Amino acid sequence: DTEVTQTPKHLVMGMTNKKSLKCEQHMGHRAMYWYKQKAKKPPELMFVYSYEKLSINESVPSRFSPECPNSSLLNLHLHALQPEDSALYLCASSQAGVTGLLSGNTIYFGEGSWLTVV
Amino acid sequence: AQTVTQSQPEMSVQEAETVTLSCTYDTSESNYYLFWYKQPPSRQMILVIRQEAYKQQNATENRFSVNFQKAAKSFSLKISDSQLGDTAMYFCAFMKPSQGGSEKLVFGKGTKLTVNP
Repeated sequence: DTEVTQTPKHLVMGMTNKKSLKCEQHMGHRAMYWYKQKAKKPPELMFVYSYEKLSINESVPSRFSPECPNSSLLNLHLHALQPEDSALYLCASSQAGVTGLLSGNTIYFGEGSWLTVV
Repeated sequence: AQTVTQSQPEMSVQEAETVTLSCTYDTSESNYYLFWYKQPPSRQMILVIRQEAYKQQNATENRFSVNFQKAAKSFSLKISDSQLGDTAMYFCAFMKPSQGGSEKLVFGKGTKLTVNP
């Protein structure tokens, strides 16, 4: 059973809609991630939050807006999406390293949210 | 930049048999981490196994084991006693150490494994 929970499992939205994907973890992890995965492709990193601060934005279009309200929650706000944005969106989490020390913490994924933009 | 190559787009195996999935990577780093993730049709990415490059001993996890050859930059996954539930896409992934928790995985393109009854 995954300890990273994503809602909703499926979302259909129009190009003018505003919606959000939500992610929650209770593993005490302080790093959280959003990945986008198209069919038959590996996941692509979108955003990373470390200690509730945005640490990586992989040049994602502004129609995707992440938010980390606290250490357990991660949201992805969606607005004015295009049909090509239809994909599986995976949330993930990991232990966060200590500043000044190198680490390689395992990343754990949720079940994903299927997004269809019509 | 690191790259990960999985040369077998698709493989199949009979139930109860053994199968090996190959993965090679390219890096100039001396310390790094390697992973195999499994993604069944349900699409959840599930960690199968993790290997630290500084460890010479190959990681094992029940029926799953790896053959880590650091000099050859090879990291194959062996699945013993294959079960129908092993049917999935398998991704090999590389991670170099980072500071502050901004871990980045570099994925291969995946190998689709089908276990036949």
